[in-house]
Amino acid sequence: NAGVTQTPKFQVLKTGQSMTLQCAQDMNHNSMYWYRQDPGMGLRLIYYSASEGTTDKGEVPNGYNVSRLNKREFSLRLESAAPSQTSVYFCASSEGYTIYFGEGSWLTVV
Amino acid sequence: GIQVEQSPPDLILQEGANSTLRCNFSDSVNNLQWFHQNPWGQLINLFYIPSGTKQNGRLSATTVATERYSLLYISSSQTTDSGVYFCAVKRSPGNQFYFGTGTSLTVIP
Repeated sequence: NAGVTQTPKFQVLKTGQSMTLQCAQDMNHNSMYWYRQDPGMGLRLIYYSASEGTTDKGEVPNGYNVSRLNKREFSLRLESAAPSQTSVYFCASSEGYTIYFGEGSWLTVV
Repeated sequence: GIQVEQSPPDLILQEGANSTLRCNFSDSVNNLQWFHQNPWGQLINLFYIPSGTKQNGRLSATTVATERYSLLYISSSQTTDSGVYFCAVKRSPGNQFYFGTGTSLTVIP
């Protein structure tokens, strides 16, 4: 049982480049999330999707776009990466009470 | 949104010691969870505890929903307990979990 799988695990981008972080869950959950984690700031919600076909902004959506491709997959796109987007990104899914996280994607923008 | 404050921000313990971590939240919630983030970054659910008390081995948690706080107790700490402990809350209706900034625990042999 893979749970929540996100790729890539590590990525270095140059300022202005674009990239997409991929996330898939195999637990048949309706809700999926993208968080970023920065030192001393906990996890902050970028976007979430309550169900297939819906997406909503979280606390820090600027500079990001998302796509809920189907029930399993929720991708996060950086159209023009900036150094301020250097962070660890976590995808998560939930159904009912508990939220489950992927292993994180370490992104550095130089 | 809901403000979540955790204390202390940092904690260093000798192996075998006990500790209490606190999570305060600013509004009524119907979902509260504790997580452990290990040194490799992996986030593991410890407890789902919107109210009451639960125990799992050396860990236990208590949430007093009416007073808007939760406590995580770690007894007989081990080096493998090191990492960051997060509290997260959610209120219905809504899908957003709000996280605290975490307590960084270091257990020294």
